[in-house]
Amino acid sequence: EAGVTQFPSHSVIEKGQTVTLRCDPISGHDNLYWYRRVMGKEIKFLLHFVKESKQDESGMPNNRFLAERTGGTYSTLKVQPAELEDSGVYFCASSQELGNTGELFFGEGSRLTVL
Amino acid sequence: AQSVAQPEDQVNVAEGNPLTVKCTYSVSGNPYLFWYVQYPNRGLQFLLKYITGDNLVKGSYGFEAEFNKSQTSFHLKKPSALVSDSALYFCAVRDNQAGTALIFGKGTTLSVSS
Repeated sequence: EAGVTQFPSHSVIEKGQTVTLRCDPISGHDNLYWYRRVMGKEIKFLLHFVKESKQDESGMPNNRFLAERTGGTYSTLKVQPAELEDSGVYFCASSQELGNTGELFFGEGSRLTVL
Repeated sequence: AQSVAQPEDQVNVAEGNPLTVKCTYSVSGNPYLFWYVQYPNRGLQFLLKYITGDNLVKGSYGFEAEFNKSQTSFHLKKPSALVSDSALYFCAVRDNQAGTALIFGKGTTLSVSS
């Protein structure tokens, strides 16, 4: 069974440019999460999809970030326009369980560097 | 508000010695507690979780953790460390009464020397 896959693994862009990160969850997992870790800091929650619906987007930092999950399969996270403070590693995770007791399965992350 | 504290940035132990990685938490309701490990250039891997029941939970690779409600702690332990245990460890908590987000600590780097 394939795990959670993320693309690209690393992206380097200039301030003001746009970047789109993609996440393919484990097949059949309805729950999809985006997290971000800035170097040396905690991993911060961004948002949670249940199928194609946004269940919780309380962690999205501002309106420069747009997440979508059309059709309830893969998800994209777009940053437009990117700022220096957006640099970090963006993790995607998925889970099957509908409740809050299940563990998450993480991708390897997409490292974003904004210059 | 939910929060997790991992007071140590780094823990150093010698191979064969017991190890402890500390974690304390703060939630409004009852906590669901998790430990994850991240090896270099890899995603986070689930180690173990506490939901309810026995305070001592056992997980992957010989790790265990003890839930202590009075001290609001969930320390990760292993009786005998291996060099291959060297990695970044994250503690995480969900409040069973508040949303679905898993809240992480900032991580503790475990270094096991041979």
